[in-house]
Amino acid sequence: DTGVSQNPRHKITKRGQNVTFRCDPISEHNRLYWYRQTLGQGPEFLTYFQNEAQLEKSRLLSDRFSAERPKGSFSTLEIQRTEQGDSAMYLCAIAGAGNTGELFFGEGSRLTVL
Amino acid sequence: RKEVEQDPGPFNVPEGATVAFNCTYSNSASQSFFWYRQDCRKEPKLLMSVYSSGNEDGRFTAQLNRASQYISLLIRDSKLSDSATYLCVVPLTGGGNKLTFGTGTQLKVEL
Repeated sequence: DTGVSQNPRHKITKRGQNVTFRCDPISEHNRLYWYRQTLGQGPEFLTYFQNEAQLEKSRLLSDRFSAERPKGSFSTLEIQRTEQGDSAMYLCAIAGAGNTGELFFGEGSRLTVL
Repeated sequence: RKEVEQDPGPFNVPEGATVAFNCTYSNSASQSFFWYRQDCRKEPKLLMSVYSSGNEDGRFTAQLNRASQYISLLIRDSKLSDSATYLCVVPLTGGGNKLTFGTGTQLKVEL
C-alpha cells in the first residue's frame, strides 16, 4: 500500500473526449505531484501542489490539461479533447518527510486514446 | 545533452551474477541522486539515495562520480526477484521534490 489511491485504473476513450483522473492520498500530505509515463520512458513531471496551491506546471502540460486540488487533499487531473499522444500512465505521488527526494507513487491511471 | 541518460538495456544476466548500470546527468549543481525500481506495470519505488560519494545497502551499491557526472548502481549476487527496470533520478532545479527520471535500464535475471 503506497498511501496513494488513483482511479480509474484504466480508461479507454475516443479521441476528442474529456477524461478526468482522481488522486486520493490516504493521509494528509502537503505536496502532491502528477507525472506522466509513456512506454519505454521514465516518468515525466507535469505539475505539483503545495496544499491547494498549484506551484509549478511543466511545459508538457498544454492548455488542454488542468489539475486541481480544491481542499488540499485529493487532486484531479482533467484532459480535454484527448489526442492519441495523450495515451500514457498518469501517476500521482506524494512527497516523503523532509526534502529527501523520495516520492511515493500511486499505482497510476492508464489512459488509452483510440 | 539530456538531463539524465541511461543505457536502456535489457541486461540479461544469470542468477548470482554481478551487474552494473551507469547513468550520466547534465546538471553539475545537482547535490542528490536516486535510484528507483519499477516492476512491470507497477509504480516506481525508491531503491537508494546517493548524497555523497556512495551508498551501500546489502547487495546494492550506488556510487557517485561528480567530476564525470555519473552515477552507478551495482547489484551483487543477483536474484530472480531483481528483475525490473532501474530508474536513475536527479532532482529538477527549483527544489520541491520535483524529479527528473531517466528512461530506465531493464534487468532480467535468468536461471
